[in-house]
Amino acid sequence: DAGVIQSPRHEVTEMGQEVTLRCKPISGHNSLFWYRQTMMRGLELLIYFNNNVPIDDSGMPEDRFSAKMPNASFSTLKIQPSEPRDSAVYFCASSPGGGQPQHFGDGTRLSIL
Amino acid sequence: AQSVAQPEDQVNVAEGNPLTVKCTYSVSGNPYLFWYVQYPNRGLQFLLKYITGDNLVKGSYGFEAEFNKSQTSFHLKKPSALVSDSALYFCASGGFQKLVFGTGTRLLVSP
Repeated sequence: DAGVIQSPRHEVTEMGQEVTLRCKPISGHNSLFWYRQTMMRGLELLIYFNNNVPIDDSGMPEDRFSAKMPNASFSTLKIQPSEPRDSAVYFCASSPGGGQPQHFGDGTRLSIL
Repeated sequence: AQSVAQPEDQVNVAEGNPLTVKCTYSVSGNPYLFWYVQYPNRGLQFLLKYITGDNLVKGSYGFEAEFNKSQTSFHLKKPSALVSDSALYFCASGGFQKLVFGTGTRLLVSP
């Protein structure tokens, strides 16, 4: 089992650029979560999907953020346009649901200059 | 609304001594409670969970947690700390899918 795979691991880009973060969940997991972690705000849930359908996107900070899950094995989180305050570590996690633990990827460290 | 509190930003303990990392929760109904650990530059790793049953839950790496309904607590414990246990620990509560995480407690185990 390869675990949750996120790419890229690091991303440095300039303000105003589009950023796309990618996630491959564990096969067979039907819930997928995107989190953001910063020193100031801790770990925040941005959005989660169940069976590829967005269930709760109340944590998405602004319209500049969007997330998609076109199939059970792939999800993207896009920021357009990016701003310096978006700098954070973004984690993807997946779960079989039903109260079972979430499994986290190792994150994407995003720096917006 | 669900919430989880971790009252200590940091816990310091000497290697070989017992450790406790505190967590209290506020949830309606029967809580699902979890502990996760995060090492530098890594994602959160699941340690243990309580859903129902025995109040003492055993997990990975020798950790255990005690569910106390009257005190609404779910403290993480280990009888003998290791330097390698030094990390960031998160308590979380949730229902069927979504989790609410605490702010995290940094555990520092000194040799």
